[in-house]
Amino acid sequence: SYVLTQPPSVSVAPGQTARISCGGDNIGDKTVHWYQQRPGQAPVLVVHDDSDRPSGIPERFSGSNSGDTATLTISRVEAGDEADYYCQVWDSSSDHFYVFGGGTKVTVL
Amino acid sequence: QVQLQESGPGLVKPSETLSLTCNVSGASINNYYWSWIRQSPVKGLEWIGYISDRGATKYSPSLKSRVTISVDPSKKQFSLKLSSVTASDTAVYYCARVYGVVNFDSWGRGTQVTVSS
Repeated sequence: SYVLTQPPSVSVAPGQTARISCGGDNIGDKTVHWYQQRPGQAPVLVVHDDSDRPSGIPERFSGSNSGDTATLTISRVEAGDEADYYCQVWDSSSDHFYVFGGGTKVTVL
Repeated sequence: QVQLQESGPGLVKPSETLSLTCNVSGASINNYYWSWIRQSPVKGLEWIGYISDRGATKYSPSLKSRVTISVDPSKKQFSLKLSSVTASDTAVYYCARVYGVVNFDSWGRGTQVTVSS
């Protein structure tokens, strides 16, 4: 089955830029979606189809996807961005239709 | 704005069947797929399966033999049954709307289910 690999943690100072990677074999051939999960809350879709934002998601959140790595970028990081972030793909080539990464904890210093 | 709310027992005994229901409000249940996802510290986020408004289903291969998802459009509800549970089925269970087949654009708040005698 398809595997998505994320770093366990990323630390960033307020106002700086956080970049969260999501690695997978030829992930650039798939579309990647990103979720934010604050403590005790459900995941929230923050980027879909590699780089699109749902309504209500700040422009500070952006995404890219190429080769073997997709990246979620959070610009001008705020304290409220501290959360776990998960990447996800729809793998139509296998029976494990929906695959999630292991998650990255973003800590705002 | 669509809202989803899970309900069901928070404690299930080993070997018994876990049963949860998701109520959908604020949007039609028609023309979408609806999914169950669970999250545990060991396995992270794990997709369980989905159902269409017309009852077409797809399950994760690792759970397929124990999972049944059903839908009642008239009540705007869909349900999960997971049989023969063990401690490894202990998790927070979420219901979610599948958008465009490929992602989950709305989630319930989740419900903790513990498997223990």
